[in-house]
Amino acid sequence: DIVMTQSPDSLAVSLGERATINCKSSRTVLYSSNNKNYLAWYQQKSGQPPKLLIYWASTRESGVPDRFSGSGSGTEFTLTISSLQAEDVAVYYCQQYYNSLPITFGQGTRLEIK
Amino acid sequence: EVQLVESGGGLVQPGRSLRLSCVASGFTFDDYAMHWVRRAPGKGLEWVSGVSWNSGTIVYADSVKGRFTISRDSAKNSLYLEMNSLKTEDTALYYCAKDNDFWSGFFDYWGQGTLVTVSS
Repeated sequence: DIVMTQSPDSLAVSLGERATINCKSSRTVLYSSNNKNYLAWYQQKSGQPPKLLIYWASTRESGVPDRFSGSGSGTEFTLTISSLQAEDVAVYYCQQYYNSLPITFGQGTRLEIK
Repeated sequence: EVQLVESGGGLVQPGRSLRLSCVASGFTFDDYAMHWVRRAPGKGLEWVSGVSWNSGTIVYADSVKGRFTISRDSAKNSLYLEMNSLKTEDTALYYCAKDNDFWSGFFDYWGQGTLVTVSS
């Protein structure tokens, strides 16, 4: 199985400041034949289901604000929120779908307002 | 508008069975793979099982293999999860999730979830 490890486990950032969440995979999720990283990011607010933010490591889902961006390749990835808003308080998960058996998630990063 | 509505959760004793359902609307159900993902209390997300658009590919997490069975019914636009030999560690909120494609492995829509509690 590919193990996904996020850091930090929790994060407190001031409104308007940048928030950065890291995700490392135990093996590469870059598929060389198409040069795509099989990595997605989700946001889960309290009492709600997860919401897809980013896929293919850096493609923003339709409707997601452009303050959210994804970067990285191979085994190291980052989700960046450029200017934190109050509505961004949530738990964020990375997920690999490179070797779909099994699909695996990171343990989650809790983002709060400082 | 895409909607996924789960049902069938509840309180069940260890060793017993439960069947979850998910009714889909707002998209062509037959064109997409579907999955079940769960979140245990105080824990993160765990993918449970997935079925491809034509049921040709069915896969399970090791934690449920041999006990859970996923299926889909295109006539009813529905996804199911038959859960047998339930264990206390199966206690979780179970989400139905739509794949982005025939089988891509990431999920663009999720239901609100149905709660399964396994306890004596």
